[in-house]
Amino acid sequence: GQQVMQIPQYQHVQEGEDFTTYCNSSTTLSNIQWYKQRPGGHPVFLIQLVKSGEVKKQKRLTFQFGEAKKNSSLHITATQTTDVGTYFCAPKSNYQLIWGAGTKLIIKP
Amino acid sequence: EAGVAQSPRYKIIEKRQSVAFWCNPISGHATLYWYQQILGQGPKLLIQFQNNGVVDDSQLPKDRFSAERLKGVDSTLKIQPAKLEDSAVYLCASSLDYSRLAGDYEQYFGPGTRLTVT
Repeated sequence: GQQVMQIPQYQHVQEGEDFTTYCNSSTTLSNIQWYKQRPGGHPVFLIQLVKSGEVKKQKRLTFQFGEAKKNSSLHITATQTTDVGTYFCAPKSNYQLIWGAGTKLIIKP
Repeated sequence: EAGVAQSPRYKIIEKRQSVAFWCNPISGHATLYWYQQILGQGPKLLIQFQNNGVVDDSQLPKDRFSAERLKGVDSTLKIQPAKLEDSAVYLCASSLDYSRLAGDYEQYFGPGTRLTVT
């Protein structure tokens, strides 16, 4: 079945540094959703990307969908403590989402 | 609007016992999902309902897991008998609908039920 690779598994950053997570697929994706899960919480929808080369911004978060629709990225500028959590990409396959393993953002004390 | 409700929030059982989880989706949401999330992993879809019909249950271990959504609203997920490897958070989510077209609907998750099997 379709699989998605999300890297890195963890990223430790100082508050104020940038953070990026990448999502890669071997097959062309129809669309991709991104979710954030705070420690002890449940996934919360962030955004959906549909078009090739699409770039969407939400304040300090920038989401990109690759031209070939096989990869996507999430970039956070100037991280804050409120950004802590695990970020999941979830491409759609047929009628269900295929969840990556997530990238855990950790702010160094 | 009220979110997805789940109960109980925590459950501890011994292996070979049975357990049931309940979910009430957001009002008007046709699609309901049950996920299993093991610590450190992404959610794994167990079953997806469209109204009261099953869309996909290919990853549901049917020898021990069962789920129903009889009236197309709330749903229950049961495990009988439980195994140690069933220890996980069970998440219920709902969405307005689902689509085979490029567009799709975001999923709203409940708080989850943390199951510990000893």
